[in-house]
Amino acid sequence: QKEVEQDPGPLSVPEGAIVSLNCTYSNSAFQYFMWYRQYSRKGPELLMYTYSSGNKEDGRFTAQVDKSSKYISLFIRDSQPSDSATYLCAMDRGNQFYFGTGTSLTVIP
Amino acid sequence: ETGVTQSPTHLIKTRGQQVTLRCSSQSGHNTVSWYQQALGQGPQFIFQYYREEENGRGNFPPRFSGLQFPNYSSELNVNALELDDSALYLCASSLRGGVAKNIQYFGAGTRLSVL
Repeated sequence: QKEVEQDPGPLSVPEGAIVSLNCTYSNSAFQYFMWYRQYSRKGPELLMYTYSSGNKEDGRFTAQVDKSSKYISLFIRDSQPSDSATYLCAMDRGNQFYFGTGTSLTVIP
Repeated sequence: ETGVTQSPTHLIKTRGQQVTLRCSSQSGHNTVSWYQQALGQGPQFIFQYYREEENGRGNFPPRFSGLQFPNYSSELNVNALELDDSALYLCASSLRGGVAKNIQYFGAGTRLSVL
């Protein structure tokens, strides 16, 4: 079993839709949870960063962490074509980051 | 732009050769991590360097080695290249200490093809 599981998609939505991206994890030692966005042939770009259970909002993005269920989510409101990318969840344990496989998102104008 | 630069951007090697990839950290960052990202997969942690010493290693064989220099730039060396080493190699820099250590900033990567 992988330490971090993420549905690879692909996910295709119309412009303006609300997008929900999810990851589950197996190790309760993970402390910090991150979401990265990766455009084709580019490095990952940090979107959101959370520590505790609950919600964190930044503009159109909301990150949600449920440590009791070992489940994290990223919500994108009013999705735009420029949001089309691969979204990676990541979590850390000490010095090592663990990434999901990424979910490919396409927002159709 | 994150301020993390990697070189070269693309590289083609043949099986059995050796390769060196380079990374310049974001200004003020003292920690560098290297990742391998195969096509369609998430990045896999190779190792991390802090104060010029290896500070954590993922499940990669010893033919993957690294260096960190006093100016915090870094190199990833891979010996005896195998076809499966073909991937995007990502460097990430961060500042160790407090909450900030968990925020890693990635370069654009080096795409390595092994023929």
